[in-house]
Amino acid sequence: EVQLVQSGAEVKKPGESLRISCKGSGYSFTSYWISWVRQMPGKGLEWMGRIDPSDSYTNYSPSFQGHVTISADKSISTAYLQWSSLKASDTAMYYCARRSGGYGLDYWGQGTLVTVSS
Amino acid sequence: EIVLTQSPGTLSLSPGERATLSCRASQSVSSSYLAWYQQKPGQAPRLLIYGASSRATGIPDRFSGSGSGTDFTLTISRLEPEDFAVYYCQQYGSPSSFGQGTKLEIK
Repeated sequence: EVQLVQSGAEVKKPGESLRISCKGSGYSFTSYWISWVRQMPGKGLEWMGRIDPSDSYTNYSPSFQGHVTISADKSISTAYLQWSSLKASDTAMYYCARRSGGYGLDYWGQGTLVTVSS
Repeated sequence: EIVLTQSPGTLSLSPGERATLSCRASQSVSSSYLAWYQQKPGQAPRLLIYGASSRATGIPDRFSGSGSGTDFTLTISRLEPEDFAVYYCQQYGSPSSFGQGTKLEIK
């Protein structure tokens, strides 16, 4: 069974750093890209960027380029999303999802809620 | 970057009725790279349609997708109570983007 399991909810202060994770199982992790998607409270989905775990090539939305870093460790089938300095506006649910070639985002993680508040 | 605009923002219909949701792109999208998702409160999105018109695994045949170029449509032929949710289109070229969503609510 294909699964993407994300790390738990985080509460952070502005200026702090954070890395959240997404662990894939039940499939060949290096055969599918992982995308990250933001959903701010009560709002829609925003595509942030993606990584090819086989070579760690990344591609970002212009809206998120330079604000977050996407990485992966293929040896443990895990992708990451990290911030070096959080802002209150980073408060959101973050989802990882598997990109299945021309088939869209076919499997999603359960989401990680990030709350940034002083 | 391709901007996707969905309409209407909210659609109020009754079970058994037909729903038609629109997704318009700011520039041409390869039909191979247009998807539709359903999201219910407190849940992750679920893939419904990929390649503009192909149903994902396990999706009932009352859901259908069509369109090409800049205009795409998701149709739900006969609404079931569990279909009331928010629907998003996505183009998964590079970079990818989502529409702002259409909320399908019970009338």
